[in-house]
Amino acid sequence: SAVISQKPSRDICQRGTSLTIQCQVDSQVTMMFWYRQQPGQSLTLIATANQGSEATYESGFVIDKFPISRPNLTFSTLTVSNMSPEDSSIYLCSVETGMNTEAFFGQGTRLTVV
Amino acid sequence: QQQVKQSPQSLIVQKGGISIINCAYENTAFDYFPWYQQFPGKGPALLIAIRPDVSEKKEGRFTISFNKSAKQFSLHIMDSQPGDSATYFCAAGAGNNRKLIWGLGTSLAVNP
Repeated sequence: SAVISQKPSRDICQRGTSLTIQCQVDSQVTMMFWYRQQPGQSLTLIATANQGSEATYESGFVIDKFPISRPNLTFSTLTVSNMSPEDSSIYLCSVETGMNTEAFFGQGTRLTVV
Repeated sequence: QQQVKQSPQSLIVQKGGISIINCAYENTAFDYFPWYQQFPGKGPALLIAIRPDVSEKKEGRFTISFNKSAKQFSLHIMDSQPGDSATYFCAAGAGNNRKLIWGLGTSLAVNP
């Protein structure tokens, strides 16, 4: 298993600003994922972040808007840049351990852009 | 295009009843089918998962039934309890592509 600490848990931000979300894992993991989840909705994958390589973004998400860092095997950040109210959502960090494709999630960051 | 279709969107069950949530998939390359449970304000947590080499897996009150030919799998919650009230997501993954494809979720309410 893996324990994931995500910070901040929530924030209210002004439009046009940027927020960096941190994800810390208690063990080394190869693959980390960043998701967005609208309240009451399903999860949408933003990007996959592997240590030592560029993040791989899903369709509809670009690096300029959601830059990701993965400096080591236990930590990653996601920045939501130049925010607009449409970016208001819950952002979730997820890691995968072992060969069973089991994914563990942080508690999420609830972002409100005003 | 929704690759994993989940139903129903919401479900109300009486305490002690059976909750059944269904998912259907299209991609025959999928070989891993987990169910996640999510409480408000929390991230999803793995509940139970199955691979296509078995047709059923049971863990406590939770059972996954898998029908490979029909490309369907379902979650059964036996003796449903108010504490089971949550949103349930099915997902599917394929081999070395470790991304999960998610269903849209089912909001389950278990009445006392």
